[in-house]
Parts: sequence; structure tokens; C-alpha cells
Amino acid sequence: EADIYQTPRYLVIGTGKKITLECSQTMGHDKMYWYQQDPGMELHLIHYSYGVNSTEKGDLSSESTVSRIRTEHFPLTLESARPSHTSQYLCASSEYNEQFFGPGTRLTVL
Amino acid sequence: GENVGLHLPTLSVQEGDNSIINCAYSNSASDYFIWYKQESGKGPQFIIDIRSNMDKRQGQRVTVLLNKTVKHLSLQIAATQPGDSAVYFCAENLQNAGNMLTFGGGTRLMVKP
Repeated sequence: EADIYQTPRYLVIGTGKKITLECSQTMGHDKMYWYQQDPGMELHLIHYSYGVNSTEKGDLSSESTVSRIRTEHFPLTLESARPSHTSQYLCASSEYNEQFFGPGTRLTVL
Repeated sequence: GENVGLHLPTLSVQEGDNSIINCAYSNSASDYFIWYKQESGKGPQFIIDIRSNMDKRQGQRVTVLLNKTVKHLSLQIAATQPGDSAVYFCAENLQNAGNMLTFGGGTRLMVKP
């Protein structure tokens, strides 16, 4: 079982709200990632980080932002949520090639 | 099969039979491949990996085969059990992309008791 945690697990909010999805890992991994995934579909990388104070955008354009102030913590923020943001958000971390995934946050924007 | 629109390729097998899930990868420079299993409502879990200098690797009830000539990866599950029901993803590691993983479309495995 990977030591990577995401909160909240489920979130239903109204359009225009600001939200932050939390991700923490206790494995001391330098690399962390955020993916967006529609149910059963492939994972799309939206942000990644190679270490503290390092953040990059992924392949999929996203209106979200991330920060990496501490090694173990990689929060994702949506300044103004829209229905198009409804999806599952998966956080992962890695030391080498294998990525360890958290349980995901299922976000619904009404 | 290929993922078309919202339709996820599905493999339905009888409990106890062997399952074979296939994946075509895109980059001939990829040198590392992983199979992940994702159960409903959970994040993907590592099953088995293989490096490009190998063509076969075995784990407990699972075997991964790599055919670099046709850029094809397969996952074989022996004596499939109901607990194997999930969506399976392959991922390739792109060395020239900073060791990022690129995921393929998933295959849903349904095990009939």
C-alpha cells in the first residue's frame, strides 16, 4: 500500500468557487504529479514537480495551479471552478520510474 | 481493442481462465513499461514492470510480454479471479521526456463467476 493521501475523496461544489485538492506523501519522493481522469479513461498529466519549488505544466491544458513548498505536499488549486472541471483528480509520486498513486478526488462542479 | 470515444474495451472471462490484455505503445525510444490495475473508486496500483532489454517478465500469476518490433505489450493473468476485475492500463516511460509516464487507454476486465 502506497503512502500517498488525497483529500477530500469526494467534493461537490458550485460554479465559481475556489477549491484546493490536497495531496501528501510520506515516502520522501522528489517527483510528484497530478493527473485528470474521466471514469475508466486514460490518465492525462496536468502538472508535475521534480522537487521543492519546481512545478511544470503537463500535456493537458488545465486552469488549475499547483505549488511545492514542501517535499511531501503538492496541492492543486482551482481559482474558479466550472462544470467542465468535473472529473477525477489523481495525485502520484515517484523516486525512479514507478509512480505510486493516491486514491483520487472525485470532483463535481454544479 | 482500441478506445473509441466513451467506449472502454472490455474483456470478459470466466473465473479460472487465463486473461490476456494487450497494449500498443507509441514511442520506440521508450525503455520501461508498467502495467497498472485500477479498481472502481481507487487510484491505479502497480502490477508489474519490464525494461526494454527484456521480452518477458513473470510475477505472481501475471506475466508481461514485450515485443519491441511491433511496439506491443501484453499482460497475461493466470487463473483469473473475481478480484482481478478492474481496468488495466499500460504506461511507457519516455526517457527523453524526463522519465515521465505516458498512459494508454485502459481495458476493462470482467470476471464471470
